[in-house]
Amino acid sequence: GNSVTQMEGPVTLSEEAFLTINCTYTATGYPSLFWYVQYPGEGLQLLLKATKADDKGSNKGFEATYRKETTSFHLEKGSVQVSDSAVYFCALKKGSNDYKLSFGAGTTVTVRA
Amino acid sequence: NAGVTQTPKFQVLKTGQSMTLQCAQDMNHEYMSWYRQDPGMGLRLIHYSVGAGITDQGEVPNGYNVSRSTTEDFPLRLLSAAPSQTSVYFCASSSFQTSGGKYEQYFGPGTRLTVT
Repeated sequence: GNSVTQMEGPVTLSEEAFLTINCTYTATGYPSLFWYVQYPGEGLQLLLKATKADDKGSNKGFEATYRKETTSFHLEKGSVQVSDSAVYFCALKKGSNDYKLSFGAGTTVTVRA
Repeated sequence: NAGVTQTPKFQVLKTGQSMTLQCAQDMNHEYMSWYRQDPGMGLRLIHYSVGAGITDQGEVPNGYNVSRSTTEDFPLRLLSAAPSQTSVYFCASSSFQTSGGKYEQYFGPGTRLTVT
């Protein structure tokens, strides 16, 4: 079946540090891949997405590239801020006619001033 | 647009009690779903619906019922609450529109449920 594996947290960084959160997936065919962010006390918001191999999703300084050869979708940001402190979830959607999302376990990121 | 709304925000139940978590969306989305979020386990799908009158089970459906009588509403019922159902519950909705990379699932703010 489909599954998503994320690097375990928690991750603690200083402001302006580089952030990478690893995400790998198992799926047949050509899934769509997503990163969702959950700020404290809130629901999940879509951060970025990619729908085919070699696509790069980007938003708010975050980027992730859909790598089919390594089945990965790692999230990166070059210079984090305190406001980036949140839980980050990698997720996949199997195909165009399947609307269910499979989520990774989530990675808690704390950025210190 | 209010988006996806959930009530209540917090709830405490005793073992064996029943209750309904409410979810509504005003985006005319066909697809709606319920997830539970537990530490270290991400979000797990409980039930989902692809339209009014159509529901199906997700990954962890036991102990929960759903119905979809309208496009807007998708309530989740706990039949006889158990401590293992202590969790944060999220409702989500999406359109069937996927062309051009438009697909996005929208989440409600969540309901934090404690069963004692």
